[in-house]
Amino acid sequence: GENVEQHPSTLSVQEGDSAVIKCTYSDSASNYFPWYKQELGKGPQLIIDIRSNVGEKKDQRIAVTLNKTAKHFSLHITETQPEDSAVYFCAARPSYDKVIFGPGTSLSVIP
Amino acid sequence: SAVISQKPSRDICQRGTSLTIQCQVDSQVTMMFWYRQQPGQSLTLIATANQGSEATYESGFVIDKFPISRPNLTFSTLTVSNMSPEDSSIYLCSVEGTSGTEETQYFGPGTRLLVL
Repeated sequence: GENVEQHPSTLSVQEGDSAVIKCTYSDSASNYFPWYKQELGKGPQLIIDIRSNVGEKKDQRIAVTLNKTAKHFSLHITETQPEDSAVYFCAARPSYDKVIFGPGTSLSVIP
Repeated sequence: SAVISQKPSRDICQRGTSLTIQCQVDSQVTMMFWYRQQPGQSLTLIATANQGSEATYESGFVIDKFPISRPNLTFSTLTVSNMSPEDSSIYLCSVEGTSGTEETQYFGPGTRLLVL
């Protein structure tokens, strides 16, 4: 089955710097890759997603890149702010009814 | 995106008892999912619940321990039966929704369960 790895597990950046989180997946059938942000005490919130026929997608300060050949995808957050501090999960969808999550990255933005 | 609510938001239970968690969605959805998130861990799918059919359980999860109901297109319940401290987790309800042109999953706020 699908296996999603995510690095780093923890990340600290200074406010205003960029943060990059990288994920790899194993199942070439996966064609959709969402990213979720989970703040303390809340459920995961979808922040951006990308489909396998697209190499990059941007939404304001957030961007995601996908290399389908290498089976890896990354989340890029620019101009980080303290409110970006949270746990981020990447995920891959190998079939229409299944989403496999990575282990998560705890991001701390230091003011 | 769908608006999802869960009840209770948190609970402390004694071992050997059962707790039923409710999930309500503000729109009709075909597929609902229940996840478990153990402390500091990622999300693990327990089961998929479609209205009008039996829930489909993932490996390691059984109906006797986690019975699920799906009486209509906006509501589902998950029961955690005969609880032990190892069941202490966040339980999350999720539904399929549309993000742009893509079907994706949206999550409720979670139910934080502590078993003593």
